[in-house]
Amino acid sequence: GAGVSQSPSNKVTEKGKDVELRCDPISGHTALYWYRQSLGQGLEFLIYFQGNSAPDKSGLPSDRFSAERTGGSVSTLTIQRTQQEDSAVYLCASSPRVAGAKQFFGPGTRLTVL
Amino acid sequence: DQQVKQNSPSLSVQEGRISILNCDYTNSMFDYFLWYKKYPAEGPTFLISISSIKDKNEDGRFTVFLNKSAKHLSLHIVPSQPGDSAVYFCAASAFGNEKLTFGTGTRLTIIP
Repeated sequence: GAGVSQSPSNKVTEKGKDVELRCDPISGHTALYWYRQSLGQGLEFLIYFQGNSAPDKSGLPSDRFSAERTGGSVSTLTIQRTQQEDSAVYLCASSPRVAGAKQFFGPGTRLTVL
Repeated sequence: DQQVKQNSPSLSVQEGRISILNCDYTNSMFDYFLWYKKYPAEGPTFLISISSIKDKNEDGRFTVFLNKSAKHLSLHIVPSQPGDSAVYFCAASAFGNEKLTFGTGTRLTIIP
C-alpha cells in the first residue's frame, strides 16, 4: 500500500510570502502529525490531529503557523509571512489509533526562505 | 529544554563489528521509546521500540536496552553492515500523549 506522501518535495519562497505544505496520510490512519527538522536539530513536534478531536497545537512556534485536516485525511500546514528561520524540512507522519503505535513518516518538504 | 538527548552526533564503526548508539532522557513520564533510522532525502523509518515494562527488546540484528533508573537507552546493531549507515533518532512518548519527542540524532557510518 501507499505510504505517507507530501508535496511539494522542495519549496523555495521569499521572506514574507505564505506557503502551504500538503500531507496525504496512510489510508485508515486516524492520527496525523507534523514535525520539522531544522539544520543540525532533531525533529520538533508541531501539531497532532486525532480523529475528530481538537488538534494538539502545543508545538506550533508562532501564530504564523496553522494546520488543518479535512475529512480526517489530507492535512495542510500553512506558514504565513515566512521568515528565514522557518527554513527546515517539514515532516508529516501518520499512525493508526492504537496505543504505542509507531508513526510512519513521509519524505518531507524542504522549505527554503530567502 | 532537550528532554531526549543523543550526545554523540556521529559514530564510525567497522563493518561486522557492533554499533552502540546511546540516548538519555529527562522526563520520567516517558514510557515508550522508539528508534528511527533516516537516510538522506527520506523520512525517518521505524526501527525498533521498547515499552518501559521491559528492559530489552530484540529484532534480528537490532537490540534496544532500557535502563529506567538511569533514564538511558541504547541501540545495539550486530553485526554492522554498510546499509546501516544513516542517521539514527531516539524518540520517546508518555502514556496518553502520542506525540513523540526526538533526540538530535547520531550519524552512523559503517566502514567497509
